Amino acid sequence: GNSVTQMEGPVTLSEEAFLTINCTYTATGYPSLFWYVQYPGEGLQLLLKATKADDKGSNKGFEATYRKETTSFHLEKGSVQVSDSAVYFCALNSGNTPLVFGKGTRLSVIA
Amino acid sequence: NAGVTQTPKFRILKIGQSMTLQCTQDMNHNYMYWYRQDPGMGLKLIYYSVGAGITDKGEVPNGYNVSRSTTEDFPLRLELAAPSQTSVYFCASSNPGEGTEAFFGQGTRLTVV
Repeated sequence: GNSVTQMEGPVTLSEEAFLTINCTYTATGYPSLFWYVQYPGEGLQLLLKATKADDKGSNKGFEATYRKETTSFHLEKGSVQVSDSAVYFCALNSGNTPLVFGKGTRLSVIA
Repeated sequence: NAGVTQTPKFRILKIGQSMTLQCTQDMNHNYMYWYRQDPGMGLKLIYYSVGAGITDKGEVPNGYNVSRSTTEDFPLRLELAAPSQTSVYFCASSNPGEGTEAFFGQGTRLTVV
């Protein structure tokens, strides 16, 4: 079945540091890949997505590239801000199946 | 647009009590989902629905029931609450199709004591 593995947190960075959160997946067929973000006390919201191999999703300075050869979708940001502190979830679906999520990675950015 | 609305936001239940978590969406989405989020465990799918009158079990359906009588509403019923059901519950909705975004409610924090 489909599954997502993402790096364990928490991750603590200083403001303006470079961020990478690793995500790898196992799926049948050709899944769509997503990063969702959960700010404190809120529900999840879509950060970015990619629907086919070599696509790059980007939003708010975050980027992730769909790598079929390594079954990966790592999240990156060149310079994090305190406001980026949140929990980040990698997720996938294929066809019309429900989203399958990773365990989430908590990011804390300190000034 | 309100999007996905969940009620209540917080609830404390005693062991053995029952309750219904309400979820409604105003985006005319066919698909609706219930997830639970346990600390450090990500989100696990409880039940989902691909349209009115159709529901399917997810990864962790035991102890829960759902119904989907309208496109807008997808209530989650807990019968005989147990401490293991202490969690944050999220409802979500989406349209079918590759790569479509799921929209989430704000969550219901449930504690069973």
